[in-house]
Amino acid sequence: DAKTTQPPSMDCAEGRAANLPCNHSTISGNEYVYWYRQIHSQGPQYIIHGLKNNETNEMASLIITEDRKSSTLILPHATLRDTAVYYCIVRAMNAGNNRKLIWGLGTSLAVNP
Amino acid sequence: KAGVTQTPRYLIKTRGQQVTLSCSPISGHRSVSWYQQTPGQGLQFLFEYFSETQRNKGNFPGRFSGRQFSNSRSEMNVSTLELGDSALYLCASSYLPGTDMNTEAFFGQGTRLTVV
Repeated sequence: DAKTTQPPSMDCAEGRAANLPCNHSTISGNEYVYWYRQIHSQGPQYIIHGLKNNETNEMASLIITEDRKSSTLILPHATLRDTAVYYCIVRAMNAGNNRKLIWGLGTSLAVNP
Repeated sequence: KAGVTQTPRYLIKTRGQQVTLSCSPISGHRSVSWYQQTPGQGLQFLFEYFSETQRNKGNFPGRFSGRQFSNSRSEMNVSTLELGDSALYLCASSYLPGTDMNTEAFFGQGTRLTVV
């Protein structure tokens, strides 16, 4: 199964960009990279996903390296409300050709005033 | 549009009992996935249902089961509860099943189950 590796924790100053790295060296060619975040006591929230091109939406930007073995989620102007655990996920394929999300332990981002 | 609704929000059960958790997906969504979240293990996939059929299953014992109704609402059941089943159980809905590569999932607030 494709898995991801993320640093367990990061700090960021309010108003600055938060760059969250993720390694997914075993990713397959047709597997997407997804990012979710989970604010304490809430369910995970979808942020963004991509295949090989860089993606941007109203929440964040996703930069995927050319070899697709790593990616970076960028929150351009972090606020205190961005304090959460951020999960980088790739879909894994099982023997039945069904895909499921494999979640790691994520990165706990603390945005400081 | 209403989000994913999970009931109950909190539950306390004793060992050996069984429990049923409910999930109502976003209107129009036909896929429902269930996850178990514990501090040490993170989110672990339980199973996924689409159009009343189980499409995918994680590595959990047979005590964990689920079903989906014709209105896409889903229930999961855990029988013979063990202390280790204490966790946050999350439900996610999406329009298409997880086998579709370009689908985002919307999560509910979860049900916090405590087994004593």
